[in-house]
Amino acid sequence: ETGVTQTPRHLVMGMTNKKSLKCEQHLGHNAMYWYKQSAKKPLELMFVYSLEERVENNSVPSRFSPECPNSSHLFLHLHTLQPEDSALYLCASSQDEVRGQPAEKLFFGSGTQLSVL
Amino acid sequence: RKEVEQDPGPFNVPEGATVAFNCTYSNSASQSFFWYRQDCRKEPKLLMSVYSSGNEDGRFTAQLNRASQYISLLIRDSKLSDSATYLCVVTRNTGGFKTIFGAGTRLFVKA
Repeated sequence: ETGVTQTPRHLVMGMTNKKSLKCEQHLGHNAMYWYKQSAKKPLELMFVYSLEERVENNSVPSRFSPECPNSSHLFLHLHTLQPEDSALYLCASSQDEVRGQPAEKLFFGSGTQLSVL
Repeated sequence: RKEVEQDPGPFNVPEGATVAFNCTYSNSASQSFFWYRQDCRKEPKLLMSVYSSGNEDGRFTAQLNRASQYISLLIRDSKLSDSATYLCVVTRNTGGFKTIFGAGTRLFVKA
C-alpha cells in the first residue's frame, strides 16, 4: 500500500465513450501527477498539479482533461479516445517545497490499465 | 536522442551474480538522480537516490558521474526477487518542471 489509490484498475472503453480515472492520495502531499506508460516506452508526464494549480501540461491532446478539486484528489476525464491511447495510466504524488520545483520522491498508485477499442 | 537513455536488456543472470546497469543523460542542467524499480504490472517505486559521492544500501550501490553524465546501479549477490525493470530518473528545473524517466532495464535473475 503506497498511500496512492487509483480506480478503476482496468478499463475498456469504446472510442465514443466518456469515462474518468480517479486518484486519491492519503499522504498529505501537495502535488499530484498523471503519467502515461505505453509498452516498452518511458513514462510520459501528462499533467502536474502543485498546490492545486496546474503547473505542467505536456502538450497532451484535449481528449484528456485533468481535474484537481483539492490536494488529495485528481481525476483524468477521457472522451473520444483513440486506440493508440491504450496504456497504463499512473497517478503519483509528492511533497513539493516550492511550486514547480521537481520533488525528490514520487509515490505512485497501482495504475489504470486502459484499453480503447 | 532521448534525454535519458538506458540499455533495455534484458539482463539474464544467475542467483548470486553481480550485475551493473548504466544510464546516460544528455542535459547538463540535470539536478537530481534516482533509480526506481518497477515489477511487472505494478507501479514504479523509488529504490534509491544517486549522489556523486556514491550511495550504498545493502546489496545496491548507486554512483553518479557528472563529468561523463551517467549514473550506475550495481547489484551484488542477486536474488530471484531482484527480477524487475530498473528505471533511471533525472530531474531538472530548466525548460519547465521536468522529471524524466528512462525506458528501463529489464533484469531476470534465475535459480
